[in-house]
Amino acid sequence: AQSVTQLDSHVSVSEGTPVLLRCNYSSSYSPSLFWYVQHPNKGLQLLLKYTSAATLVKGINGFEAEFKKSETSFHLTKPSAHMSDAAEYFCVVKKGTNAGGTSYGKLTFGQGTILTVHP
Amino acid sequence: GAVVSQHPSWVICKSGTSVKIECRSLDFQATTMFWYRQFPKQSLMLMATSNEGSKATYEQGVEKDKFLINHASLTLSTLTVTSAHPEDSSFYICSAHPASGSNYEQYFGPGTRLTVT
Repeated sequence: AQSVTQLDSHVSVSEGTPVLLRCNYSSSYSPSLFWYVQHPNKGLQLLLKYTSAATLVKGINGFEAEFKKSETSFHLTKPSAHMSDAAEYFCVVKKGTNAGGTSYGKLTFGQGTILTVHP
Repeated sequence: GAVVSQHPSWVICKSGTSVKIECRSLDFQATTMFWYRQFPKQSLMLMATSNEGSKATYEQGVEKDKFLINHASLTLSTLTVTSAHPEDSSFYICSAHPASGSNYEQYFGPGTRLTVT
């Protein structure tokens, strides 16, 4: 079984300050890990993904995350928050499966973290 | 590229009626589509996995006779909520996995907000 725990339901930062959104995972297999962002009334957008390559993953809009197997963590960071970063963020784990030569699997979502950015 | 649309974006229906939600991959073919449900202030919960040309696989606790899923083509999956009740009110989101290309990514639709009165 796999699970994801986002340690903070709400995070509030000032514009220009660093952002840290915490995520811990549990998986019986080598997982693929993702961070998605959901803006109000918009679809989920992929920020970045870890797929057993480099442990430090860089994504869009200046976000990055580091996969730490010893800590079973995949925290999302950004050096300087922007007002447009205000949204809900989901940490997601996918168990690797193989079917017909392609790899896909069920996604398990964390509870979400709402990021508020103050001017 | 990799755009997924949903129609309608929101719908209000009366209790006891059925509602159909469409999920389309606009610029790629999707062998697999997923349907999720998101309650207010909660995370996404996978309802079912839909493979083109075959029956959907439902997650535990999801009523297959209530949530009918059809994946008749590589670009279209539909979710029909039958005999809807107020407790079915939720945000329904689909995602699509491309038939080729990235082995890892699913592309999400913008969601459909269903309100049952």
